[in-house]
Amino acid sequence: GQQLNQSPQSMFIQEGEDVSMNCTSSSIFNTWLWYKQDPGEGPVLLIALYKAGELTSNGRLTAQFGITRKDSFLNISASIPSDVGIYFCAGPPNAGGTSYGKLTFGQGTILTVHP
Amino acid sequence: NAGVTQTPKFRVLKTGQSMTLLCAQDMNHEYMYWYRQDPGMGLRLIHYSVGEGTTAKGEVPDGYNVSRLKKQNFLLGLESAAPSQTSVYFCASSYGGMRTNYGYTFGSGTRLTVV
Repeated sequence: GQQLNQSPQSMFIQEGEDVSMNCTSSSIFNTWLWYKQDPGEGPVLLIALYKAGELTSNGRLTAQFGITRKDSFLNISASIPSDVGIYFCAGPPNAGGTSYGKLTFGQGTILTVHP
Repeated sequence: NAGVTQTPKFRVLKTGQSMTLLCAQDMNHEYMYWYRQDPGMGLRLIHYSVGEGTTAKGEVPDGYNVSRLKKQNFLLGLESAAPSQTSVYFCASSYGGMRTNYGYTFGSGTRLTVV
């Protein structure tokens, strides 16, 4: 099946720094979703991308849908301690068919922010 | 609104015991899913349902069964628990049809340990 590879696997940064992470696939995706999981909670949707080249922001977060449709990027500006968590990319498999709402998830990027 | 509610939040089972994880959503979503989360492996789909009375296998269905007798509830059963089923289990729901690409609403998870 289709797999999503996230990089880096973990990041340790100082408060105030900017963060960049990415997600790549060997197959085309028509939708890219970025989720954040706080410790002890379920993932929460941050940003959804639906068109190649699309750039979308949500506060300090900005995500981009790669032109090749095989990758996506998430940037966090001026990080704060509450940005700590696991960030997942996700997308519906079977770009040319019906996925019945199923999502393929990347393995996650663990972000630690030091005050 | 409660969103997606999972019970129990924590459980310890002995090998061979059975249990049922409960998931309830109050958003009138058509689609519901069960995922398991293991370190370094992201979220993997166990079973899903596209409507009341329907279920289908996901990526890792072995050892699990599900039922969706009512639209708002999706039950995950372990008939004979094994240590390999130690994991955090997440239920999620989404709108059906063309709106499925808008992402899921997740529950807060059930942490299961099989000893």
